[in-house]
Amino acid sequence: NIVLTQSPATLSVTPGESVSLSCRASQSISTSIHWYQQKSNESPRLLIKYASQSISGIPSRFSGSGSGTDFTLSINRVESEDFSIYYCQQSYSSLYTFGSGTKLEIK
Amino acid sequence: EVQLQESGPGLVKPSQSLSLTCSVTGYSITSNYWGWIRKFPGNKMEWMGYISYSGSTSYNPSLKSRISITRDTSKNQFFLQLNSVTTEDTATYYCARFMGPFDYWGQGVMVTVSS
Repeated sequence: NIVLTQSPATLSVTPGESVSLSCRASQSISTSIHWYQQKSNESPRLLIKYASQSISGIPSRFSGSGSGTDFTLSINRVESEDFSIYYCQQSYSSLYTFGSGTKLEIK
Repeated sequence: EVQLQESGPGLVKPSQSLSLTCSVTGYSITSNYWGWIRKFPGNKMEWMGYISYSGSTSYNPSLKSRISITRDTSKNQFFLQLNSVTTEDTATYYCARFMGPFDYWGQGVMVTVSS
């Protein structure tokens, strides 16, 4: 199994700050990583696919980078609606796995 | 627009089978892949399996022989059956379209396994 380790588990920030969330894979997965946002009582929403590809309808303040084993989701100037949990997921292996999530909370 | 909606019982007794339906509108399930994912209390997410446009299936080995995903193309629905459930199967169950990423999701159904 490819294990995805997300850090930090919780990130406390002030609205307007810019943040970076990390996802590290246990082996090289090229760019087969995808990022989701999940707000309380909602289903996950796809933010970024294949490490850095944007998704229609997602605000431009969300961006992704990385390849191999280290990946980053960046949020430029966090807004109040962004406080939620973020997950990464890999599709390199046919046993698809998710990271444990990073909770973005208001400081 | 692609929309998915899960339905099924919210309470299942231990050792019984969990059966859920995913109804898809706006897109044919005879194209692409259609999967089930669950989120446990404590936020862990697990891919359970998918059914392809041709009806072939792929499952998470951790679920071994307990899982079955089938479909009814005439109703544009696909189904999850999980046998011999235990309290460890208590989770919110989602269906989603799978394209590498999961790009469209249902709203989820919370299933509790309890006697």
